Amino acid sequence: GENVEQHPSTLSVQEGDSAVIKCTYSDSASNYFPWYKQELGKGPQLIIDIRSNVGEKKDQRIAVTLNKTAKHFSLHITETQPEDSAVYFCAASSTGNQFYFGTGTSLTVIP
Amino acid sequence: DTEVTQTPKHLVMGMTNKKSLKCEQHMGHRAMYWYKQKAKKPPELMFVYSYEKLSINESVPSRFSPECPNSSLLNLHLHALQPEDSALYLCASSQRVARGTYEQYFGPGTRLTVT
Repeated sequence: GENVEQHPSTLSVQEGDSAVIKCTYSDSASNYFPWYKQELGKGPQLIIDIRSNVGEKKDQRIAVTLNKTAKHFSLHITETQPEDSAVYFCAASSTGNQFYFGTGTSLTVIP
Repeated sequence: DTEVTQTPKHLVMGMTNKKSLKCEQHMGHRAMYWYKQKAKKPPELMFVYSYEKLSINESVPSRFSPECPNSSLLNLHLHALQPEDSALYLCASSQRVARGTYEQYFGPGTRLTVT
């Protein structure tokens, strides 16, 4: 089955700086890569995703890049704000009904 | 609207109790999921229903019993749980957005404590 690795496990940045979280996957059949933000006491929220036919996608301050050859994808958050503090999970899917999650990154934005 | 609702928000139950968790979505999604999440860990898949039929059971103990009464509802029946079953139980649903690609949305979860 698919194996998704995520780094780093914790990340602290100053407000206004950028944050980058990286994931690798093992199954070349994976074709959909969502990112979730989970705040304390809440369910994961889908914040951005990318499909295998696209190399980069941007939505305001967040962007995701995908390198299919190297089997890795990354989340980039620019101009970080305290409300970006949360746990972020990457995931990969190939069959549509099953999603494989990374181990999570706890992001802290220091005001 | 991408809302998945779950009730109750919190549940405390003894090891001999029987309780149920409920999940609802009105987005027309035909796949629904139960996940278990421990603190500081990713969601762990338990069950997947596709078109109201159980399609994936990740070897979950029989003390957890899922039910999908219709395409909008998903229940998780709990019986004779153990303290180690205490966790956040997440429901999710997904929709097909492209060939072989599904977007998945989560509910807020039910925080379960087994005493």
